[in-house]
Amino acid sequence: AQSVTQLGSHVSVSEGALVLLRCNYSSSVPPYLFWYVQYPNQGLQLLLKYTSAATLVKGINGFEAEFKKSETSFHLTKPSAHMSDAAEYFCAVLTGANNLFFGTGTRLTVIP
Amino acid sequence: EAGVAQSPRYKIIEKRQSVAFWCNPISGHATLYWYQQILGQGPKLLIQFQNNGVVDDSQLPKDRFSAERLKGVDSTLKIQPAKLEDSAVYLCASSFFLGPETEAFFGQGTRLTVV
Repeated sequence: AQSVTQLGSHVSVSEGALVLLRCNYSSSVPPYLFWYVQYPNQGLQLLLKYTSAATLVKGINGFEAEFKKSETSFHLTKPSAHMSDAAEYFCAVLTGANNLFFGTGTRLTVIP
Repeated sequence: EAGVAQSPRYKIIEKRQSVAFWCNPISGHATLYWYQQILGQGPKLLIQFQNNGVVDDSQLPKDRFSAERLKGVDSTLKIQPAKLEDSAVYLCASSFFLGPETEAFFGQGTRLTVV
């Protein structure tokens, strides 16, 4: 069965600093991986997804993620944090039934 | 294009009462999902429909939760009777079809508080 684990429930960065949110996956088959963002009192919005076309995936709002099979990781990065990036971020993997299994989430705080 | 619509946005009920949530997916989307998001946790799938058929309801507590998708469009999720641990945000999502090349779009959710 497919699953994901997010390391760090809270991450704080200074405005302009690198954002790194960690996600590791477990899958017996090549995984399809996703990052979603959730702003307060909002639904989830897709940031980016990996579907085996390229290991470095670029998403919206300047975010990108790199699929590393050797490390079973799919970490989310952004070179320079902006105040508007403060939100909850969820890593997810597509299950065999074609639905999403979500990690527990990482709350990103951006310090001015 | 209109997004996934959910109502109500907020609901407070007493334990043992019943409650229903409504979801209208994006037009043309065949797949509809209901997720439960407990505070501090990631969303957990409750049930997945393909048109009006159930694809996956393995994590739906069937003794108290039920869901239907009549005519393959709108969907209703019901809890009867509610327990304190059902307090959560209930998210509805839809996608054009099943598969990795499609995107699931989420509604704003219904926040349920059981007191």
